[in-house]
Amino acid sequence: AQTVTQSQPEMSVQEAETVTLSCTYDTSENNYYLFWYKQPPSRQMILVIRQEAYKQQNATENRFSVNFQKAAKSFSLKISDSQLGDTAMYFCAFMKALGTYKYIFGTGTRLKVLA
Amino acid sequence: SAVISQKPSRDICQRGTSLTIQCQVDSQVTMMFWYRQQPGQSLTLIATANQGSEATYESGFVIDKFPISRPNLTFSTLTVSNMSPEDSSIYLCSVMIGSYNSPLHFGNGTRLTVT
Repeated sequence: AQTVTQSQPEMSVQEAETVTLSCTYDTSENNYYLFWYKQPPSRQMILVIRQEAYKQQNATENRFSVNFQKAAKSFSLKISDSQLGDTAMYFCAFMKALGTYKYIFGTGTRLKVLA
Repeated sequence: SAVISQKPSRDICQRGTSLTIQCQVDSQVTMMFWYRQQPGQSLTLIATANQGSEATYESGFVIDKFPISRPNLTFSTLTVSNMSPEDSSIYLCSVMIGSYNSPLHFGNGTRLTVT
């Protein structure tokens, strides 16, 4: 069975600084997808970034980028130029490429951006 | 991206009663899921809502407690039956639109408090 681990329950960062959130996962699959979702106090889950395991190039979306290390089963999220609006819970998620299309979520990291 | 309307956004219910949560999407979806997020925790999949047939439940969730309907491609309901305080959670509707490996989109969730 797949598992997703986020070892940092809480983090804080000064506005305009850079922060990295960690995520590791365990799977025997070769093809899969990894995601980072953001959940602000409004509760809505918002997709931040997505990575296909078969792509070696790290995904980037504006100020958000990932460091995907397939052999190490690591998928960290880097937020550059942090903004107050980045304050939220961040969840890492895994989905097998073939199968039931179910997501497995990590326990989340609460990020607070300080003014 | 799709607009996902989830109702009610919150409710306070007495133990022993039932609550039905509705999820309406403004476009045809490939797959529909219901998640539970207990206070301060991650998301746990309750079931996959199948159009025109019985939902597929995850381990630990049963149809008698969480009956689900999905009469068409864009609408689903989740009922939380015979509620107890342990059912106090956020319940989230999520959908996959387009290809089967596309990211999940989420509704705003229903915050349920059982007294």
